[in-house]
Amino acid sequence: DIQMTQSPSSLSASVGDRVTITCRASQGISNYLAWLQRKPGKAPKSLIYAASSLQSGVPSRFSGSGSGTDFTLTISSLQPEDSATYYCQHYNSYPLTFGGGTKVEIK
Amino acid sequence: EVQLVESGGGLVQPGGSLRLSCAASGFTLSDFYMDWVRQAPGKGLEWVGRTRNKARSYTTEYAASVKGRFTISRDDSENSLYLQMTSLKAEDTAVYFCARSTAVNSYYYMDVWGKGTTVTVSS
Repeated sequence: DIQMTQSPSSLSASVGDRVTITCRASQGISNYLAWLQRKPGKAPKSLIYAASSLQSGVPSRFSGSGSGTDFTLTISSLQPEDSATYYCQHYNSYPLTFGGGTKVEIK
Repeated sequence: EVQLVESGGGLVQPGGSLRLSCAASGFTLSDFYMDWVRQAPGKGLEWVGRTRNKARSYTTEYAASVKGRFTISRDDSENSLYLQMTSLKAEDTAVYFCARSTAVNSYYYMDVWGKGTTVTVSS
């Protein structure tokens, strides 16, 4: 199974800050990497697919990069509504696996 | 509007069975791969399994933790997806989500999710 390791596990940042979350795969997954946003009581929301493609309707302050084993999710200017837990997930092979999550809090 | 709504969660005893449903609207279910994902209390997301679309004969894949106990099925005429869970264990306690998967270069990622339904396995 491919293990997905996210860091940090949590962070606290101010409105307007640039935030970066990293995700590392235990083996190469090309660009078959998605990023999701999870808020309590709400449906998970797809943000990024194919490592760097923005899902329709997602604000442009979200961006993704990377290929192979190392990936990043960047929020260019953190907004209050971005308080959530973010997960990376590979879809290169079965079983599909998720990173452990990064909880983003607003200072 | 594309929407997924899960139902059927509840309290069940260890060793019991439960069937979850996912009602799809706004798209043709038979065209899409569909997944089940769960989140145990205080834990991260865990993929449960997938059913491929009509073109791929509705074949299925499962996580090792549920293989042989859980079965994914679908009724495209009702635009519904199901998760039949048997031999339930305490560690199956979680919120269960259904998700639609869309192809990009023949690889499928989850683009639309439901809000989930809660399953509690306890005596």
